[in-house]
Formats: sequence, structure tokens, C-alpha cells
Amino acid sequence: GAVVSQHPSWVICKSGTSVKIECRSLDFQATTMFWYRQFPKQSLMLMATSNEGSKATYEQGVEKDKFLINHASLTLSTLTVTSAHPEDSSFYICSARDLAGGPYEQFFGPGTRLTVL
Amino acid sequence: ELKVEQNPLFLSMQEGKNYTIYCNYSTTSDRLYWYRQDPGKSLESLFVLLSNGAVKQEGRLMASLDTKARLSTLHITAAVHDLSATYFCAVEGKLTFGTGTRLQVTL
Repeated sequence: GAVVSQHPSWVICKSGTSVKIECRSLDFQATTMFWYRQFPKQSLMLMATSNEGSKATYEQGVEKDKFLINHASLTLSTLTVTSAHPEDSSFYICSARDLAGGPYEQFFGPGTRLTVL
Repeated sequence: ELKVEQNPLFLSMQEGKNYTIYCNYSTTSDRLYWYRQDPGKSLESLFVLLSNGAVKQEGRLMASLDTKARLSTLHITAAVHDLSATYFCAVEGKLTFGTGTRLQVTL
């Protein structure tokens, strides 16, 4: 089955630093990847849609200058949290669609837990 | 704006009992998904429902979709402890997630 990986699985950083999270589709190509954020005991909220070779589309209320997304290839998208602050601490999950498979299913990565001190 | 609501938000049930989780959404959609999430983990896909009247079953879980009522249900039959998790429904190609239902199955 389609596998999506994320790296790192967890990260702790100091306030004001930047953190990069990678999302890779391991055995398929994905023109579109999605980034979600989940706070404790809450649902997932879509942050942005990442398209290979073009600018990401951000959801309302998500600061695009703070959450930089780059989708440089059909198997890799990155999310950089710039100048992170404690309120950015969250569980970040990416997902991807398999081009060759059905258009309806998204495959989720294992998530990255970010803690900003 | 699409809104997706689940109820109940929390469900405690005994092993062997049956129960249904409901997912209501506010705008027309022909695609609905159910996911399971264990604590500290990402999502596991359970069902993809693509048309009105779709019904899918896997083990003790059965999901159905009524697009006219904008309602999906996830029915649990003879619950076992291993089913304890949070269950989310999600709607549309750009997924909008429901509020989640935390299921706790007690012995």
C-alpha cells in the first residue's frame, strides 16, 4: 500500500528558531500533498494544500509567511515553521494522494510532534 | 463553509454492546471518509464512501452514507476493547474533518 513518511517524528526547539518538517511519499508519486495541524484532543485542521512545482494554497487564518511550504518534487513536500513560538506547539500531519491510484483516498504520514519551549 | 459534526463526542460502552456514531455535514458531498486515530498516532483509513447508499463493512465496523440526508453512520457491533480510539469522519476532496468521537470500550 501507499506509504507516507514524515521526518522528524518529534522535535523540541527554542522559541524563535525555525523548524523544517519533511513529508515523503515512499512508493508513489503525489502532485498534491496536504498539511494538517492537530492540537490536543481536537480535530485535524487543514493548513495548506501543496502542489508540486507551484505555490501552496493556504487556508484562511494560516500565516503563509510563518508556515513556509515547498513541494519541490513529486515525492517530497516540506513545511518550515519560522520563528516558532509556544503556541505553534502541535501535532503536524501531512497526507498525499496517489496519482496512479484512485483519486479519492489520501494517505497520511505518521505525524510530527512539535514542542516549542 | 462546510461544517462536519459528529455525535457523540465521547462514548463509553461495554464490550459486546452495539452503538452508532453519527456524522452530519452541511453541504452536498458524494465522498465521505472514516478514520481511526490511536493516542499519539496519525490516522488510519477505515472506509471511503463514494455514493449515496454506500455501505461498507470491515470486521465489527460498518459505515453507511446517505447523501440526501447529509448523514453518515459508523456502526459498531459487539464492541471489543481493541476498538478504543478516536474516530473521525471527513468530507470532500479537501478533507474537512468532523469533531471526532472518542470511543472507550470497557471490559
